[in-house]
Amino acid sequence: DTGVSQDPRHKITKRGQNVTFRCDPISEHNRLYWYRQTLGQGPEFLTYFQNEAQLEKSRLLSDRFSAERPKGSFSTLEIQRTEQGDSAMYLCASSTGTGGRGYGYTFGSGTRLTVV
Amino acid sequence: GDSVTQMEGPVTLSEEAFLTINCTYTATGYPSLFWYVQYPGEGLQLLLKATKADDKGSNKGFEATYRKETTSFHLEKGSVQVSDSAVYFCALSPPGGNQGGKLIFGQGTELSVKP
Repeated sequence: DTGVSQDPRHKITKRGQNVTFRCDPISEHNRLYWYRQTLGQGPEFLTYFQNEAQLEKSRLLSDRFSAERPKGSFSTLEIQRTEQGDSAMYLCASSTGTGGRGYGYTFGSGTRLTVV
Repeated sequence: GDSVTQMEGPVTLSEEAFLTINCTYTATGYPSLFWYVQYPGEGLQLLLKATKADDKGSNKGFEATYRKETTSFHLEKGSVQVSDSAVYFCALSPPGGNQGGKLIFGQGTELSVKP
């Protein structure tokens, strides 16, 4: 297993366009998390899945954001009608679900979004 | 709500100097505490963790002790190397089984070690 993979690594889009990112977690991990990291800040929690169920969404996740994990494996994060404030690094992480509490997290390298 | 505050960077040290990066937290109950490191161009990696008061996490010469009385989890290393240059993040995971294991991060502290 090569860890958590994110695609693409970089995305430049025009304001108002839709973008979709993909995350492939470690295969035996049943929990998957999305975070957003802006320049000079720590990652901020967006949402997480246990298997295919989305169990929590942050208030940061506006109506323009949607995440799916249709078969409990890979996940997608879509941003509709992008705004310049969406420019950030989007991080995916996965973990085993036993008890959670941040144990056994593996982060991907992230997708850097630039909205122009 | 729960939060983490780290000392501001960048921190610039000479090789073999002593390192302290301060981290304090606000949380109800007993969170788990973590230090993550992000090397240039790489993803976040877990450096060390502590799950209860007075626990000491350690890895690669780095240490941090969970201090409930001062709500702190300061990162220390006795002798830094150039290869330790990175951004360091303090984080907590709220207690409670329904929190899902999400992490709350500080803003990060950039460390630069000069030869």
